Amino acid sequence: DGGITQSPKYLFRKEGQNVTLSCEQNLNHDAMYWYRQDPGQGLRLIYYSQIVNDFQKGDIAEGYSVSREKKESFPLTVTSAQKNPTAFYLCASSMGQGPGYTFGSGTRLTVV
Amino acid sequence: GQQVMQIPQYQHVQEGEDFTTYCNSSTTLSNIQWYKQRPGGHPVFLIQLVKSGEVKKQKRLTFQFGEAKKNSSLHITATQTTDVGTYFCAGSGGYQKVTFGTGTKLQVIP
Repeated sequence: DGGITQSPKYLFRKEGQNVTLSCEQNLNHDAMYWYRQDPGQGLRLIYYSQIVNDFQKGDIAEGYSVSREKKESFPLTVTSAQKNPTAFYLCASSMGQGPGYTFGSGTRLTVV
Repeated sequence: GQQVMQIPQYQHVQEGEDFTTYCNSSTTLSNIQWYKQRPGGHPVFLIQLVKSGEVKKQKRLTFQFGEAKKNSSLHITATQTTDVGTYFCAGSGGYQKVTFGTGTKLQVIP
């Protein structure tokens, strides 16, 4: 079955450590996205990529970094510069003009 | 930048009552999408509207896109407990990048 796999589902890290969240898709989608969701809030765009080896900052890119070396993979690194990293992180992909995004099941990151 | 607001933020209804959520954009949209996120889950794509004044139905769900393409609504007839979740609209003003609304959390009381 085609889909998006995010791992791990839950992640705990100490403050000051960088952490990388995995996102893999086998849908042959060109575009991939990372969103952050805080409790009771909407989705805010961190980074997106429309093509391999190219990506753009979203609305809240500070403290995050990404890479897109393969079409299938779009990992997100939460760096120690991110002030409030504890959140639910969602990866999504889409084919060209859509319609619609396919989301992964998310990673809940807790920084203590 | 583009902003997409939804109202209400929360809605509690008795099972069998109707429910409507409204989505308003600060700019004209090329299309609007709707998603449902169950508690503890991830957003799932429901539908996309593209044309001005478009109305689409999915069983008990009716989606509308405003004439000016700046607003949209989702109406659920005779809610059921399976409708519980948060409903998001997402507007696109250009190629591929969409802005998600703030969401409406629906609680259905049996």
